[in-house]
Amino acid sequence: DAGVIQSPRHEVTEMGQEVTLRCKPISGHDYLFWYRQTMMRGLELLIYFNNNVPIDDSGMPEDRFSAKMPNASFSTLKIQPSEPRDSAVYFCASTVDSPPNGYTFGSGTRLTVV
Amino acid sequence: GNSVTQMEGPVTLSEEAFLTINCTYTATGYPSLFWYVQYPGEGLQLLLKATKADDKGSNKGFEATYRKETTSFHLEKGSVQVSDSAVYFCALRPQAGTALIFGKGTTLSVSS
Repeated sequence: DAGVIQSPRHEVTEMGQEVTLRCKPISGHDYLFWYRQTMMRGLELLIYFNNNVPIDDSGMPEDRFSAKMPNASFSTLKIQPSEPRDSAVYFCASTVDSPPNGYTFGSGTRLTVV
Repeated sequence: GNSVTQMEGPVTLSEEAFLTINCTYTATGYPSLFWYVQYPGEGLQLLLKATKADDKGSNKGFEATYRKETTSFHLEKGSVQVSDSAVYFCALRPQAGTALIFGKGTTLSVSS
């Protein structure tokens, strides 16, 4: 298995632009998570899905952020409009519910909003 | 609520030194416990895990024992290498739930 695949690896965009981050989880994993990592706040859980259904989006910072999972093999995290404070590394991770495994993380997308 | 507390870094060691990174947790019931490692520019990788009290997780010379009585899961390695330089995260998965709760991470720097 190729692991969790995220694209792009790096994204530089101007303030106000729309940004879309993509994730392909491991086949057979029924949970998908989006995290944001910054020096100030560490790892923050933004949202997670179970069987393509959003379960908890309480970590999404504001309405500018949205996430979808149209099928078991693809998810997107969209920021519209983007702001400089959104600059961070965004990670996607997937897992199965049972047994209680840890997550498999993707390599992340480093987003810079200028 | 559930939470994880790690010792603050950075931890700076010489090669072949003994490593301990402390981790304590707060949780109801019997969570599963994990250590993750993040090398520069990469995502987090699962290092080891323990799913019940007194379990010892081990991998690549690292060990951690799930201590229910002290609510701890300290990471240890007998002899560190320069290649172990990374950020280490302790995490728990609640007994009832799926979302991992992470500590803030501890940076380890090993010099030759």
